[in-house]
This record gives sequence, C-alpha cells and structure tokens, in this order.
Amino acid sequence: GAVVSQHPSRVICKSGTSVKIECRSLDFQATTMFWYRQFPKQSLMLMATSNEGSKATYEQGVEKDKFLINHASLTLSTLTVTSAHPEDSSFYICSASVGNSDTGELFFGEGSRLTVL
Amino acid sequence: AQSVTQPDIHITVSEGASLELRCNYSYGATPYLFWYVQSPGQGLQLLLKYFSGDTLVQGIKGFEAEFKRSQSSFNLRKPSVHWSDAAEYFCAVGSTGGFKTIFGAGTRLFVKA
Repeated sequence: GAVVSQHPSRVICKSGTSVKIECRSLDFQATTMFWYRQFPKQSLMLMATSNEGSKATYEQGVEKDKFLINHASLTLSTLTVTSAHPEDSSFYICSASVGNSDTGELFFGEGSRLTVL
Repeated sequence: AQSVTQPDIHITVSEGASLELRCNYSYGATPYLFWYVQSPGQGLQLLLKYFSGDTLVQGIKGFEAEFKRSQSSFNLRKPSVHWSDAAEYFCAVGSTGGFKTIFGAGTRLFVKA
C-alpha cells in the first residue's frame, strides 16, 4: 500500500518558537493531504486540507496564521506551528489519499508528538 | 448532520474470545465506511473498508465488518482476539478522495490473558 512518512515523530520546543512538521508520500503522488490534531484519548480533528500548489483549506476554528500549511510538491506537505504555546502541545497526524482513488481510503503518517514547554 | 458514533469508549475481552465493536453513522449520501486501528503513539492503519458490493467485508488481521444500511451500522468483528489486537479502533465515514472523512470517538480495546 501507499506509504506516508511524517517527521519528526517527537519534538519539544520552547514557548514562542516555531516548529515545522513534514509529511511525505513516499511511493505515490498526493495532490491532497490532510492534517489532523488528536488530543489524548480523543478522536482525530481535521485541521486543514492541503492542496498541492494552492492555499490550504482550514476548518472552522483553526487559526491559519498559527498553523501554516505548505504543499509545495506532490510528495510533501508541511505544517508549521508558529509562536507555539503550551496549549498547542498535541499529537499531529497527516494523511493522504492516492490520486484517482475512488475508495476514499486514507494513508496516515506515523504522527508527530509536539510538546511546548 | 454527518456523524459517526462509537458507543463504547473502551472494551475488555479475554484473549481468544470474540469481539464486536459497534459503529453507527449518519451520512447524507451513500457512505464510504472504514475501520482504522491506532497503536499508542502511532498513526492509523486501515483494517477494512466498504463502499459497494458485498456488505460483509474482510480485512487484515482476521477482522471483518458488516454494513447494515437499515441500521446505519458498520460493526467490526473478530472471532478470536489476540493480545496484539489491543489498540484504539476508529470507525470513519468518508467520500471519494478522502474528503469529508469523519472519525468516531474511538473504542479502546483491552485484551486480558
């Protein structure tokens, strides 16, 4: 199956700094990637839909200036948490669908645990 | 409104016993239905999916699920649980291309020896 890789798996940063998380599709081209946030013992909340070559579409309530998404190529989308604060600490997961797939199946990265001190 | 309900927050079963995880959905169109499994600190892995055809679908690791349109349900089953099945299970509904995928709250499965 399609493989999605996320990096870093864990990151600890100081409050006020910015952190970048990468999501790569390793063996397929992903025109669309999705970014989720998962709080402890909770489900996945869609943050934004990342479209290659265009602006991301953010879900209601997600600050686009706080969570910058760039999808510069068909295999890479990045999420940058700007001026991070402790409340941004969370598990962030990306996913992608295979181009021309009509099943709606999503392939997930391993997730990135962000801890803001 | 579109929604996915997993009524059981957690379930404990003995190793070797059968398992059924419940999922009910509300979706405006013909749904694409999925079950994903998540191990601690990991991403999600697809167990199985349904979007047309036979309403009983087989997945990986010995799991199966049955789509019942009349009950708006897509319950996950396994005849004999292994200790390695302990994880979080998410039911999801979606559409073509993965857009508008909605996840249930998840069911944590504990397996006791």
